[in-house]
Amino acid sequence: DTAVSQTPKYLVTQMGNDKSIKCEQNLGHDTMYWYKQDSKKFLKIMFSYNNKELIINETVPNRFSPKSPDKAHLNLHINSLELGDSAVYFCASSWGYTDTQYFGPGTRLTVL
Amino acid sequence: LAKTTQPISMDSYEGQEVNITCSHNNIATNDYITWYQQFPSQGPRFIIQGYKTKVTNEVASLFIPADRKSSTLSLPRVSLSDTAVYYCLVGDQTGANNLFFGTGTRLTVIP
Repeated sequence: DTAVSQTPKYLVTQMGNDKSIKCEQNLGHDTMYWYKQDSKKFLKIMFSYNNKELIINETVPNRFSPKSPDKAHLNLHINSLELGDSAVYFCASSWGYTDTQYFGPGTRLTVL
Repeated sequence: LAKTTQPISMDSYEGQEVNITCSHNNIATNDYITWYQQFPSQGPRFIIQGYKTKVTNEVASLFIPADRKSSTLSLPRVSLSDTAVYYCLVGDQTGANNLFFGTGTRLTVIP
């Protein structure tokens, strides 16, 4: 069974479009995250979500918004996509912020 | 805020011990240090975590000096399958604005 899953695995879209990436974890964890990994392989945390408390990395544009329909899901919505949004996006989950994070397989987003 | 610095790349021969150091000069009292391994086209995977001194598990050891301004991941007797990017993560329990991944060290194991 996949612990943390993401869909889609690949996403190709035009500038200006709005898109969503879904994330689900079946580990019962309380905390979920979204990360962006750029072409240089830098991993940058975008959001953390724990017990309905959303913490947004202050550098993330407000075009990005996470939505959690329930504890097992944290979906990422992106409005008005830009070329610079092209990257691999990883979802992760853990019990608490200092506990082991389990990462999904990633979603490669390409904005044309 | 603790920020992290790692060497960009390292090469090692099979069977050797590899030590990768992460600098985190501004680490806070409540910060933990965690190391992850990432293979191409996969998400990072947990290796080891520590707060101070030394931690050892079945795959690695983590050495943290008393001032905690750096940490060293030690991989004993590496094999070709250890070729990957290794990240250190420093952070506490307060969430996204206090979790920092290093730039990653690309380890290449040579036959």
